[in-house]
Amino acid sequence: AQKVTQAQTEISVVEKEDVTLDCVYETRDTTYYLFWYKQPPSGELVFLIRRNSFDEQNEISGRYSWNFQKSTSSFNFTITASQVVDSAVYFCALSEANMFSGGYNKLIFGAGTRLAVHP
Amino acid sequence: DGGITQSPKYLFRKEGQNVTLSCEQNLNHDAMYWYRQDPGQGLRLIYYSQIVNDFQKGDIAEGYSVSREKKESFPLTVTSAQKNPTAFYLCASSIFGTSGGVNEQFFGPGTRLTVL
Repeated sequence: AQKVTQAQTEISVVEKEDVTLDCVYETRDTTYYLFWYKQPPSGELVFLIRRNSFDEQNEISGRYSWNFQKSTSSFNFTITASQVVDSAVYFCALSEANMFSGGYNKLIFGAGTRLAVHP
Repeated sequence: DGGITQSPKYLFRKEGQNVTLSCEQNLNHDAMYWYRQDPGQGLRLIYYSQIVNDFQKGDIAEGYSVSREKKESFPLTVTSAQKNPTAFYLCASSIFGTSGGVNEQFFGPGTRLTVL
């Protein structure tokens, strides 16, 4: 069965600190996709990144970076030099690829990690 | 600007009443989805639709109904059969992935439903 675990319920940091949000997933499929979304206080989920299971290269986008390790089934997210605007709930999600489903598969979400960045 | 709109932002309902949540997208996406979010939890899939006039149940479809008469619209009705409807409801859409690929879903701003 598919499952996503975000063990950190809440994290509190002071501005400019680096912070890592953990994501551990379970799947029996060899082809799958991983996602990170940000949910600010307004409520709308904002897409951050998509990674497929064949691409283990780490990715960096500005202050954001992602570390994908298939050996430990983890897809961790690091914010460098955090800012108050980073305060939000962050969700990790998993979707298995299926050649027969017309490109659709449901997303399995973790419970989310609430990040509070204080001035 | 392209995007997903949901209305209303806040909705109050008396017990025993049906209520319909609106979701419209102008992204020309094929697939649309409805999720429910409860405090401290991740999103759970209620219904999804891949094409017009077709939709499938997600993990928690009981007490909900949907329609997909137009590509742009995917309204959700919360019926009186839904035992605990107070929650935050999010609508999303995506392009079909090809060759088994899965594309990201884009979300609307959500509707917060409270049953009085």
